[in-house]
Amino acid sequence: QQQVKQSPQSLIVQKGGISIINCAYENTAFDYFPWYQQFPGKGPALLIAIRPDVSEKKEGRFTISFNKSAKQFSLHIMDSQPGDSATYFCAASRRGNQFYFGTGTSLTVIP
Amino acid sequence: GAGVSQSPSNKVTEKGKDVELRCDPISGHTALYWYRQSLGQGLEFLIYFQGNSAPDKSGLPSDRFSAERTGGSVSTLTIQRTQQEDSAVYLCASSLSGFYEKLFFGSGTQLSVL
Repeated sequence: QQQVKQSPQSLIVQKGGISIINCAYENTAFDYFPWYQQFPGKGPALLIAIRPDVSEKKEGRFTISFNKSAKQFSLHIMDSQPGDSATYFCAASRRGNQFYFGTGTSLTVIP
Repeated sequence: GAGVSQSPSNKVTEKGKDVELRCDPISGHTALYWYRQSLGQGLEFLIYFQGNSAPDKSGLPSDRFSAERTGGSVSTLTIQRTQQEDSAVYLCASSLSGFYEKLFFGSGTQLSVL
C-alpha cells in the first residue's frame, strides 16, 4: 500500500518556467514532510522540508505548499533551470523517523 | 570519508545465490535505514535501526531478507536465495538522531539477479 501518492510521474518544463509536483497522504499521524532530489547514479539528497504547523516554506527558488485539511503538499520550483533536471521524491514521516516516499517525478527542464 | 559508503556499487548474481550488501554510515549517526529503489516504485522502505532499539523490520518483503547492524555502526543487508524480482538499487541512509533529521543517502548498490 502506497502511503504517499505522488504526481506527475514525469514533467517537462521550459527554462524559466514553474515546476509543480504534488503529493497526497492518508495517515494523519504524519508530521514531517521532506522533499528529496536525486541525480542519476547518486542517492537522494534533502532539498527542503516542512512541518504541518505552517502552510508554506520557501528556500530560494524552492517552495513547499502544505494543505493539512486536504492532506496534500506540493513542491514548486520557480525559474526552473536545466540543472534542476532530476528525480524528485516527496516523503512523509511520523516523528521524523520512518520515512515513506512517493514514487518519484522525473523533471526535465528544456533550455 | 564524510558520506555514507555502500559496497559493492554493483553486484551481479545468479538466481538462488545469497548476497550481502554493506553500508558504512556517517560516524556518530544513530539512525540507519535501508531502502529499495525499483523503476516506477519509488523508494521502498525495508528496515530502520535506531540506536540500541530493536530494529523496525516491517518493510522487509520476505523472510529471505535480513539485516543487522554491528556495534551501532556498519550494517549488512542479506538476501538469501535471490530471485529476479530482487533486482533493484538498494540504498542505505543514515541520520544523526533519527528524529526530524536529514537523511544522508549513499550512492546505492545496483543488484542484478540473472
